[in-house]
Order: sequence, then C-alpha cells, then structure tokens
Amino acid sequence: AQSVTQLGSHVSVSEGALVLLRCNYSSSVPPYLFWYVQYPNQGLQLLLKYTSAATLVKGINGFEAEFKKSETSFHLTKPSAHMSDAAEYFCAVRPDSNYQLIWGAGTKLIIKP
Amino acid sequence: GAVVSQHPSWVICKSGTSVKIECRSLDFQATTMFWYRQFPKQSLMLMATSNEGSKATYEQGVEKDKFLINHASLTLSTLTVTSAHPEDSSFYICSARDVAGGPLDTQYFGPGTRLTVL
Repeated sequence: AQSVTQLGSHVSVSEGALVLLRCNYSSSVPPYLFWYVQYPNQGLQLLLKYTSAATLVKGINGFEAEFKKSETSFHLTKPSAHMSDAAEYFCAVRPDSNYQLIWGAGTKLIIKP
Repeated sequence: GAVVSQHPSWVICKSGTSVKIECRSLDFQATTMFWYRQFPKQSLMLMATSNEGSKATYEQGVEKDKFLINHASLTLSTLTVTSAHPEDSSFYICSARDVAGGPLDTQYFGPGTRLTVL
C-alpha cells in the first residue's frame, strides 16, 4: 500500500536559517508528489508538485523540493526561513492510477526570532 | 488561481441535529470533489470522493448514512452530517479537481469548516 512518512511532527529553526522538512514515500510506481502548506486558521495551499518533468521542483515563497527516486524522498527546503513561514506542512502522494491523495501526518514549522 | 469556498466557515450545533456544509468551486468546474476530515494535530483523512451526477464513493469506515454527500452540479458539493454527536466535532475540508485538468491536475482546497457539536 502507498504511504507517506514525514519525519518530525515539529521542526524548529531560527529566522534566516535553512528549512528542511523531510518526506519519504512508498510507491510501487512513480507517483505524483505534492507539498501543501496550511497557515493557522486557513485552508491548504499548494506549495509545489512533482510530476516527473524535473527532479528539482521550485514552488512558491522560495520553497523547493527534490525528488530522489533512489531514496524515495521528496524533502522540502528553503535557504532562509522567514517568520511568515510558520505553518503546518503536508506532503502527499498521488498514485498514477487515480486522483486521491495519500497524506503524511504533517510537520509544524516553528520559526524562532 | 482556482478558488474553492466552503460555507459555513464554522458552526456550532446541538447533539442530534443535522448540519449541511457547502463546497463550491468559484471559477472552474469540478467533476470530482473530495471531502476530508482533520482531527487536531493530525493529517487529513479522506472521507469520500464526490462525483457530479453520481453517488459518492466512501472510504472504509465512513458511514454513508451519517455523512450524506450530494454533488448536484459541477460547482457545488454538499456534506450533511446527520444526527450529529460530539464525536463528529472536527475540521471538515473539501477539495475540487478542475474538470479541464489532465493527469497533471491539482486539487484545490477550501478553507475548511469547523464543526462543534455540543
């Protein structure tokens, strides 16, 4: 069965520091991969998605993620954290065969001043 | 970008009453909408897939008689929580898939509805 694992329910970084949020998936076929962000009291917004066009995907707000097939990973990074990045981040995988998303448990990103 | 709205954004109701939540795609048509439930500090749980003009497909463990889904048009799906109980209190989120989208399309999410059952 497909699954998504996000390592760390909470990640805390200082403002200006590198952000790294980890996502590993299990899939028998190359999947579509997504990162969504949920700001407090708001709905989910798509940050970026991998659709096999390029392994390094650039998203909004300076985030990017790299698809590594050998590691079955799709980690999210941002070179320099900003206070406004504080939110919950969800990794999701969509098997090629249907449109349902399989979600990771989410990682809450905390930015320290 | 594509916008999905939900109404109401929050609702408080008495135990035993029914609550209807609307999900609308504002600037695109959606043949498929998804209903999720999110518990505090947990990820989204897919409840059902709603297809325009046909019956919804419910995930295992979701009571279809309790969570009634209607997708009568390409821009509107409704979720009715019947005879609500305190354990139904949760954050309900819908998403919609653009009918014009191909295999690379994306789900667009509504802002969610906070349901509190007293």
